[in-house]
Amino acid sequence: DTGVSQDPRHKITKRGQNVTFRCDPISEHNRLYWYRQTLGQGPEFLTYFQNEAQLEKSRLLSDRFSAERPKGSFSTLEIQRTEQGDSAMYLCASSLVRGRRGPYEQYFGPGTRLTVT
Amino acid sequence: GNSVTQMEGPVTLSEEAFLTINCTYTATGYPSLFWYVQYPGEGLQLLLKATKADDKGSNKGFEATYRKETTSFHLEKGSVQVSDSAVYFCALRPTSGYALNFGKGTSLLVTP
Repeated sequence: DTGVSQDPRHKITKRGQNVTFRCDPISEHNRLYWYRQTLGQGPEFLTYFQNEAQLEKSRLLSDRFSAERPKGSFSTLEIQRTEQGDSAMYLCASSLVRGRRGPYEQYFGPGTRLTVT
Repeated sequence: GNSVTQMEGPVTLSEEAFLTINCTYTATGYPSLFWYVQYPGEGLQLLLKATKADDKGSNKGFEATYRKETTSFHLEKGSVQVSDSAVYFCALRPTSGYALNFGKGTSLLVTP
């Protein structure tokens, strides 16, 4: 178990540029989640995947955001035409979900800190 | 909707003091409850969990009991160490969903 990894750890970009982040979940986990965390706040849910299917998207996920998990393994989160308000820590988590019951604890990666100048 | 409310920080304690961080929640049914810890410069780590009323989660000397009647999941530790300095997040997973709802976090500083 190598844990959830994210790349890059830090990204500085200029307003209007596109950025893409990658997340590699724990290998046997079938669910993958994206969250956003701003300074002094708890993480806020963005979206999640069951294998390659994107099952839920938060209202926070504007049209400029798109996430994929093409082969049910790693995932990418792209932000187009970045704005200063997009500056945040982007967290990825994964879990193993079987059936309908259980805590299904989520394990988080170290995050990608995005700064939009 | 679902929400989590944590006590405001920062909390400053001397080493070996008793710790309580309050957490209350709003949710229908029986959500699963979690405490996560975030050390400086690191990601969130799962600290403990509870899935039903009166369950007690425990790990590394920390404990929290799922109280349905008071909709609470307070985090406690009998004797804190400097190494416990971190931000602590209370979270719930709703009965009918998978996304976690987090509180705003409580910063803890333990001084020698």
